[in-house]
Amino acid sequence: AQKVTQAQTEISVVEKEDVTLDCVYETRDTTYYLFWYKQPPSGELVFLIRRNSFDEQNEISGRYSWNFQKSTSSFNFTITASQVVDSAVYFCALSERSTGGFKTIFGAGTRLFVKA
Amino acid sequence: ETGVTQSPTHLIKTRGQQVTLRCSSQSGHNTVSWYQQALGQGPQFIFQYYREEENGRGNFPPRFSGLQFPNYSSELNVNALELDDSALYLCASSPKIGLAGDREQFFGPGTRLTVL
Repeated sequence: AQKVTQAQTEISVVEKEDVTLDCVYETRDTTYYLFWYKQPPSGELVFLIRRNSFDEQNEISGRYSWNFQKSTSSFNFTITASQVVDSAVYFCALSERSTGGFKTIFGAGTRLFVKA
Repeated sequence: ETGVTQSPTHLIKTRGQQVTLRCSSQSGHNTVSWYQQALGQGPQFIFQYYREEENGRGNFPPRFSGLQFPNYSSELNVNALELDDSALYLCASSPKIGLAGDREQFFGPGTRLTVL
């Protein structure tokens, strides 16, 4: 069963547009962690944000904002006034308990193209 | 502060061979995770090591094994290589505090493995 779903495979926007990347997750744990990572064309994954299941407070960091809603099991990511440098693949990830520890499950990713 | 490094960058093997990939964690990080990323997909969790012990494993067969050393560097070993093992292998380190949950991960650039 898919644990992290990123329904948008590719999104294309024009610079300065706002864009929201959707993430829906599935878990039976009450304690879990959610993440967003960015993978630019260079290939190296870059951490953007971490949220634990007890912290539903939304967050804004510069042009980035995140909306965590447990009621709908969603953790969406919005980029305001997008820039060409935002072009990358964005992954949502869920970390939950597994035998002997935790495991992190990534979604399939959303490829964002920002055109000048 | 040096980041996560991986070696080699690229590797070509033939079916049935064995391979060892290496990772040097970011300074001060005691946890390392390994992922397999096929082209166009999200990273798939292989396993995690915390203080030299396996601390969670994904759905990979036993021919995928690992080691973490006292200096927190680590290895991923894959025996009896199959064509489907061709992928980018990512190592990620994190400053896990106890076993309470997962922290943000810092990824290396990956090793591109091709199995012919």
